[in-house]
Amino acid sequence: AQRVTQPEKLLSVFKGAPVELKCNYSYSGSPELFWYVQYSRQRLQLLLRHISRESIKGFTADLNKGETSFHLKKPFAQEEDSAMYYCALSGGNTDKLIFGTGTRLQVFP
Amino acid sequence: EAGVTQFPSHSVIEKGQTVTLRCDPISGHDNLYWYRRVMGKEIKFLLHFVKESKQDESGMPNNRFLAERTGGTYSTLKVQPAELEDSGVYFCASSRIRGGEAFFGQGTRLTVV
Repeated sequence: AQRVTQPEKLLSVFKGAPVELKCNYSYSGSPELFWYVQYSRQRLQLLLRHISRESIKGFTADLNKGETSFHLKKPFAQEEDSAMYYCALSGGNTDKLIFGTGTRLQVFP
Repeated sequence: EAGVTQFPSHSVIEKGQTVTLRCDPISGHDNLYWYRRVMGKEIKFLLHFVKESKQDESGMPNNRFLAERTGGTYSTLKVQPAELEDSGVYFCASSRIRGGEAFFGQGTRLTVV
């Protein structure tokens, strides 16, 4: 079954601390993995996707096929990073997104 | 460029009533998706239009839900009759090409009482 698991509902850190939001997936094939972010009172938006291998707003995510993980990392968290983060995948002959339940990141000053 | 817009932003209806949600995708985006998030659960795919054709409606929960995209522009999602478990946030997204970045609307929060 296709599934995305985000084990943490809430992650709280202080400004300047490293952040890692966990994402594991289950998919029989080669999926494409994404991280979406929703800031307070804003719409859901794409943060990054694994095929682009970019660093966006200091965030990176590496696809680990052996561990079926796509954890999101940032070495030094900022207060403006506080938001809801969703891991998602798509694959096969469809580009519908399968989302995890999301992790709320709170960065305290 | 205007983003994906959804109407209404909130809707409160009684069980058994009908509600119609509307989504205006970004101009030129042939792909239009509907998703919903019910309380405490993940955002789930409902269906995918390519222009006016339903490409994938595997996520539609039951026949109380009807989606249309006449003319391949805006889309409507009708729930008739609404049930309590239909409460949640309904998102619309559009993309220019299949597999391209999906741009989301702000969502419609539906509450069925």
